[in-house]
Amino acid sequence: EAQVTQNPRYLITVTGKKLTVTCSQNMNHEYMSWYRQDPGLGLRQIYYSMNVEVTDKGDVPEGYKVSRKEKRNFPLILESPSPNQTSLYFCASSLRGPRENTEAFFGQGTRLTVV
Amino acid sequence: AQSVTQPDIHITVSEGASLELRCNYSYGATPYLFWYVQSPGQGLQLLLKYFSGDTLVQGIKGFEAEFKRSQSSFNLRKPSVHWSDAAEYFCAVGRKGGGSQGNLIFGKGTKLSVKP
Repeated sequence: EAQVTQNPRYLITVTGKKLTVTCSQNMNHEYMSWYRQDPGLGLRQIYYSMNVEVTDKGDVPEGYKVSRKEKRNFPLILESPSPNQTSLYFCASSLRGPRENTEAFFGQGTRLTVV
Repeated sequence: AQSVTQPDIHITVSEGASLELRCNYSYGATPYLFWYVQSPGQGLQLLLKYFSGDTLVQGIKGFEAEFKRSQSSFNLRKPSVHWSDAAEYFCAVGRKGGGSQGNLIFGKGTKLSVKP
């Protein structure tokens, strides 16, 4: 089954404690991205990656890091989480290029609370 | 800059009534447009998408959307709403030059409530 898997689904952590949210896809997609969803703001892109070892900032990258060492994995790293990073996070993947059948597949989300 | 506007934050309709959710975009060229639905506590599910061709697009769960270039709109419609349609709906546009049509700019969402 084609899917994007995020872990963990729920996480409560303390300010300043480094954490990683993992994302894995099994569709051999080149493109992957991270979004955060906040009430009244919709989804905003944090980082994206066009392929292995190629990453770029999205609209709200401050406080986040990513890496793309393998095609299937795209972890999101919070080196020093702060309460304003409390949010619902989604990972997405899709094929690269302007292909008409391209669509983004989303993970189930990770609800992060930073206290 | 590209943007997507969903003018209605919250809409309430009666079960069985028709529904229209509004979406306007700013793009400057022919956009790739999407509607996603998020049920409470769930991830995002694609309802339908427009790439080219017929401006009336059919999706899953009985939804359809119409692309109107002159109005820069891509409104979502359903003729008869079911209680299970209560959810949050997001309109999105493929980011220009984003390298993938999965690279999206989202609207802020419209929350749909359904009255019995």
